Amino acid sequence: QSVLTQPPSVSGAPGQRVTISCTGSSSNIGAGYDVHWYQQIPGTAPKLLIYGNINRPSGVPDRFSGSKSGTSASLAITGLQTEDEADYYCQSYDASLSGSVFGGGTKLTVL
Amino acid sequence: EVQLVESGGALVQPGGSLRLSCAASGFSFTDHWMSWVRQGPGKGLNWVASIKEDGSEKFHVDSVKGRFTISRDNAKNSLFLQMNSLRADDTAVYYCARLRYSDWKKGKWFDPWGQGTLVTVSS
Repeated sequence: QSVLTQPPSVSGAPGQRVTISCTGSSSNIGAGYDVHWYQQIPGTAPKLLIYGNINRPSGVPDRFSGSKSGTSASLAITGLQTEDEADYYCQSYDASLSGSVFGGGTKLTVL
Repeated sequence: EVQLVESGGALVQPGGSLRLSCAASGFSFTDHWMSWVRQGPGKGLNWVASIKEDGSEKFHVDSVKGRFTISRDNAKNSLFLQMNSLRADDTAVYYCARLRYSDWKKGKWFDPWGQGTLVTVSS
C-alpha cells in the first residue's frame, strides 16, 4: 500500500490526451510539499519528468505537464506517442514519515 | 555528463550482509544530498535512505532502520549503503540518486538516477 495513490493503469490512442492522478494526504501533498513525476521504461532506471509540481527539465517535451491542487496532483500527456508507453510514478515528501514517498505507479498503454 | 554508477549487488543468504557503492561523476558531489531508492521485482519505487552533503544528517525508512546505513566519502565522490541482517523482502534493484531542491521546505526530487544494482536475498 503506497502512501500516494495512483491508478494502476491508463491507456489512450496515439494523439490523444491522458491524465494520471496522484492522491495524497495532509501529511504530504496537502501539507504543501511539492510533487514530482518520473517516467520508467521497463528495464531502465526512472527518469525525472516533472519537478516542483509544474516544471519540466530540459529535454522533456512540452506534451508533458503537471499540476497540483489540495491533496492531489496530476500528470497530463497530450499528443500521445508510442514511445510514451512506460510506468509513471509521482513522488513527494511525507512529514509524518520524515522521508520521500512514491505512488504505486501507473502503467500507460498507447493503443 | 552527470553520471551515477552503482555496484556491489549480489545473491546473498538471509541474515547476510552486503555493501553497495555508487560512484558519482560530472557534478560537484559535495554540494548535493544523495539517496538510495529500491524497486522490488515487478513492484514500485521505495525510498530507502538519504544523506546530507557533508554526511552530518542521515535518514532511513523505518523498515531498514537498525539494519541499513547510508554513508558517503566526499574525497572519493562515492555513496555507500551498508546492508546487514538482510531479509527476503529486501530483494530489489537498488538505485543511487542525486537529490535536488529549489525550496528545501517543499521537499526534494531525485535526478539523475544510476542504472541500479540487483540485490537478491535467498537461500
